[in-house]
Amino acid sequence: LAKTTQPISMDSYEGQEVNITCSHNNIATNDYITWYQQFPSQGPRFIIQGYKTKVTNEVASLFIPADRKSSTLSLPRVSLSDTAVYYCLVGDKGAGGTSYGKLTFGQGTILTVHP
Amino acid sequence: ETGVTQSPTHLIKTRGQQVTLRCSSQSGHNTVSWYQQALGQGPQFIFQYYREEENGRGNFPPRFSGLQFPNYSSELNVNALELDDSALYLCASSLSGRDTQYFGPGTRLTVL
Repeated sequence: LAKTTQPISMDSYEGQEVNITCSHNNIATNDYITWYQQFPSQGPRFIIQGYKTKVTNEVASLFIPADRKSSTLSLPRVSLSDTAVYYCLVGDKGAGGTSYGKLTFGQGTILTVHP
Repeated sequence: ETGVTQSPTHLIKTRGQQVTLRCSSQSGHNTVSWYQQALGQGPQFIFQYYREEENGRGNFPPRFSGLQFPNYSSELNVNALELDDSALYLCASSLSGRDTQYFGPGTRLTVL
């Protein structure tokens, strides 16, 4: 199971673009990269998932270089409500890396958006 | 389309008691996974149910057990509660065992 490394915390200001990078040097050929967002005392919310190059949805973009050993979650023009913990997971499409879709969460990145 | 729902929202129990938590999966999903999240940590996988069978289990003792029903809703049962069982319990559903998982709001369990 590929291990991921993310910054423990990041600070930003309203209206700025935020980029959170995740390292996953041992990513396997079939692995996907998945990001979740979690607010205090709530369940993680699926943000975006990708395999290579760039994926964009209405919430974020995910940039994956050709070697796939890292990925960057980009949040455009953050607001105070984007303050949350962001988790990067690597594995099969369910980001579990096992036959039964077990998700392995790390500590995540605490993003704090200031006024 | 209805998302994942969990009940109750909050629960307070005393040490040694038993508790049952409930989860309704998202429409069309046949797989439910349960996670325990202690304060300040990431969620930890408890087990997964696929089509009413346990499909995988994390490092949790047998007093953590579960069920999945024909409508794919699920229960998590914890016997002989311990203080360390105090946590946010999360349920996630997916189209199948290895597909993207979507989480419910969680149940906050406090053991006194």
